[in-house]
Formats: sequence, C-alpha cells, structure tokens
Amino acid sequence: GQQLNQSPQSMFIQEGEDVSMNCTSSSIFNTWLWYKQDPGEGPVLLIALYKAGELTSNGRLTAQFGITRKDSFLNISASIPSDVGIYFCAGRPTDSWGKLQFGAGTQVVVTP
Amino acid sequence: EAGVAQSPRYKIIEKRQSVAFWCNPISGHATLYWYQQILGQGPKLLIQFQNNGVVDDSQLPKDRFSAERLKGVDSTLKIQPAKLEDSAVYLCASSSTLARPQETQYFGPGTRLLVL
Repeated sequence: GQQLNQSPQSMFIQEGEDVSMNCTSSSIFNTWLWYKQDPGEGPVLLIALYKAGELTSNGRLTAQFGITRKDSFLNISASIPSDVGIYFCAGRPTDSWGKLQFGAGTQVVVTP
Repeated sequence: EAGVAQSPRYKIIEKRQSVAFWCNPISGHATLYWYQQILGQGPKLLIQFQNNGVVDDSQLPKDRFSAERLKGVDSTLKIQPAKLEDSAVYLCASSSTLARPQETQYFGPGTRLLVL
C-alpha cells in the first residue's frame, strides 16, 4: 500500500537554529500538507501545497511541494521555544477524494 | 467560530467493554472524519462522512467499530468489544465540503482511550 516516510523521527536543537524535515511517498500526491500537534491537542494546519514545485511560507515556516510530486520538505528558521511539538506531513494521493495519509511525525525539541 | 468539539477527552475501560465517542463538527461543515492515532504514529483515517452518508470506511475494523452521523451534523464512533490494541487517540475532523478535495480539515482535541 501507499506509505509516507517522514524524517527525521526527532530533532533536538538549540533556540535560534534552523530545522528541516521531509516526507517522501511511494506514489504521486496532488496535495501536501504540514501540521503541528501540541500535547493533548489535535493537529493544526501550518502550510498547504497544491502544485508541484510550489514554495510557500508562513512566517518562519517554509515548505515546498517536490517536482516529482512524491516529496515535500518543511523548514523552520530561527527556532523558538514554542516551536516544540510534533510536526506531521500529510498527503492526498491523486486517486483519493479528500482522504489524507499522514507521516509518522517529527518530534522537535528546542533547548534555550 | 467554534472549533470541532469531542467528548469525552479521556476514557479508560477494560478489554471487551464497549465505548462510544462523540464529535460535533464546525457549524456548516458537510464532511466529517474519524481518525485513529496510535502513540508515536500519525493519524490514520477510519471513516469519512459527507453529510449523513459514508464516503470511505475501508480502514474501519467493521467487526468491532461502528460510526454514524444520522442527521448529518454530529457523529458517534463506537467500539464493541474493545481490545488492548484499540488504545489510541481518536480524532475527529471536519471540512466544509468534499466538492473541493483541498478543503482544509480542522481537527478536534481528540479522545484518549486506554484499554486495560
């Protein structure tokens, strides 16, 4: 079946450093989404990407939809303590209608 | 605008017992989703409703899980009987319409289930 591989699994960084994580898929997606989940809460959408090659920013966050349509990355610049959480990529395969597949998540820990 | 509401927030039961979760989506949202999130994993779609009809339940373990959205608004997800491996967070999400697949899904806070 289709799978999303998200890496790294976890990151321990110092405040002010940049963070980069990525997702790859075994099949072509028509949508890539990046979510953040805080403890005890549901995922919250950070960035949505709908076209191959699209590069989108949301404050200190930047994400790109890979040209092959099988991958995406998320960068966080100048990390701050509130960036702590689990970041999930999610993709919508071309043959699905609304159905999302999620990666396993990247745990980000920011130390002062 | 009120978000997606879920209750209860936490539930502890013994295996073979039954449990039900409730979800009230954002007002006016036609599409409702139930996800299962096992610790250390991303959410996995269990069932998707468009109004009161099921769009996709291919990953719902139908021998023990059931869900309904009778009036096309709120929804319940039931597990009967529960197994140890059902311990997870059950997330409800909604989006305004299925007509545009890129519609954003808004998630509720989830119900944390522990089966002993």
